[in-house]
Amino acid sequence: GQQVMQIPQYQHVQEGEDFTTYCNSSTTLSNIQWYKQRPGGHPVFLIQLVKSGEVKKQKRLTFQFGEAKKNSSLHITATQTTDVGTYFCAGPVGGSARQLTFGSGTQLTVLP
Amino acid sequence: DAGVIQSPRHEVTEMGQEVTLRCKPISGHDYLFWYRQTMMRGLELLIYFNNNVPIDDSGMPEDRFSAKMPNASFSTLKIQPSEPRDSAVYFCASRGGMNTEAFFGQGTRLTVV
Repeated sequence: GQQVMQIPQYQHVQEGEDFTTYCNSSTTLSNIQWYKQRPGGHPVFLIQLVKSGEVKKQKRLTFQFGEAKKNSSLHITATQTTDVGTYFCAGPVGGSARQLTFGSGTQLTVLP
Repeated sequence: DAGVIQSPRHEVTEMGQEVTLRCKPISGHDYLFWYRQTMMRGLELLIYFNNNVPIDDSGMPEDRFSAKMPNASFSTLKIQPSEPRDSAVYFCASRGGMNTEAFFGQGTRLTVV
């Protein structure tokens, strides 16, 4: 089963509000990736974090990798309707560095 | 490159029939993953290949599921016999190396009636 948990499972926000999703692994990860899946679409890569405590930004999106490399977060500032979708974290969970296991995802709805 | 190509995009079949899903990875990518996505179970990793060799098939639900990668440019996922609970979107993804981004195909929406 899944070894990468994400919370919350669902999030509804008013346009302009901030949004954060959290990802937690039961084991230390060598790296973590984030993907976005639009409704009816396929997952699309957003970013990869590798270093302990790393923080990366993409416009309104801020990604963090925890110091222990077991958790990560994605924060969106001032959400827009174009941010609608499901956000997944993914990593080499399961003992093999070659594997790519996805978290349970957070489905974001932005109300205009 | 056209990206990861999956076929068919949609498949409706009757219970008990054999279903074959196809995937063409991005040229030069040496990892290929098969995922199944449902509302209940999310995005599950079924199996993945490295250099055409199956590395981990522990996610394959039952013996009814099988996957092959006869060469670097083609993979199949077969379900025989299919059951209604197999209804899901099946994604194929490829990547060029360990710890690189994965590129997903458009998916195959399978409905078993």
